[in-house]
Amino acid sequence: SQQGEEDPQALSIQEGENATMNCSYKTSINNLQWYRQNSGRGLVHLILIRSNEREKHSGRLRVTLDTSKKSSSLLITASRAADTASYFCATDAASGYSTLTFGKGTMLLVSP
Amino acid sequence: SAVISQKPSRDICQRGTSLTIQCQVDSQVTMMFWYRQQPGQSLTLIATANQGSEATYESGFVIDKFPISRPNLTFSTLTVSNMSPEDSSIYLCSLNHRGGYTFGSGTRLTVV
Repeated sequence: SQQGEEDPQALSIQEGENATMNCSYKTSINNLQWYRQNSGRGLVHLILIRSNEREKHSGRLRVTLDTSKKSSSLLITASRAADTASYFCATDAASGYSTLTFGKGTMLLVSP
Repeated sequence: SAVISQKPSRDICQRGTSLTIQCQVDSQVTMMFWYRQQPGQSLTLIATANQGSEATYESGFVIDKFPISRPNLTFSTLTVSNMSPEDSSIYLCSLNHRGGYTFGSGTRLTVV
């Protein structure tokens, strides 16, 4: 089964800086989603990008998708301490029934 | 989007016992999903639960260990049976409603 791989595994930045996280996957997808998880609790859906889209914005978030390279990036601009969390990409496969396959995640620490 | 109420939020259990986790949804959904997140790891799909049929388990997960019920379109339970310390994880339910995924707040299980 496909599996997303994020890098870096951990990222430490100062408030106001930008944070970029990358995700790679292995098979064809319908869409790719990014989630945030605070303190090991429930996941919060951040943004979804469809396989026919290349870039998407939502507030301070910018997601890109390169289906030829099977990769995506999440950019958080002007980071805040409240952005400290783990971030996961998840792919919705193009074949079979719809389920999400999660990457390993990036732990982001934003220091004041 | 649909709202999920998951409980308990956390529990500490003795090895050899079982714990049932419940997820209640505020609208009718066909498919629900159960995930496990081991400490410091990403989410792994345990099974997909359709109302009125047997759950479909992913490789490495079996019904005897993780029985699932789906009595109606708004409710599902996951039981972690005959627990051992290796079962200590966060368990999350999820659903796909009108194309979007929603997650419960998670159950943090510690087996001692």
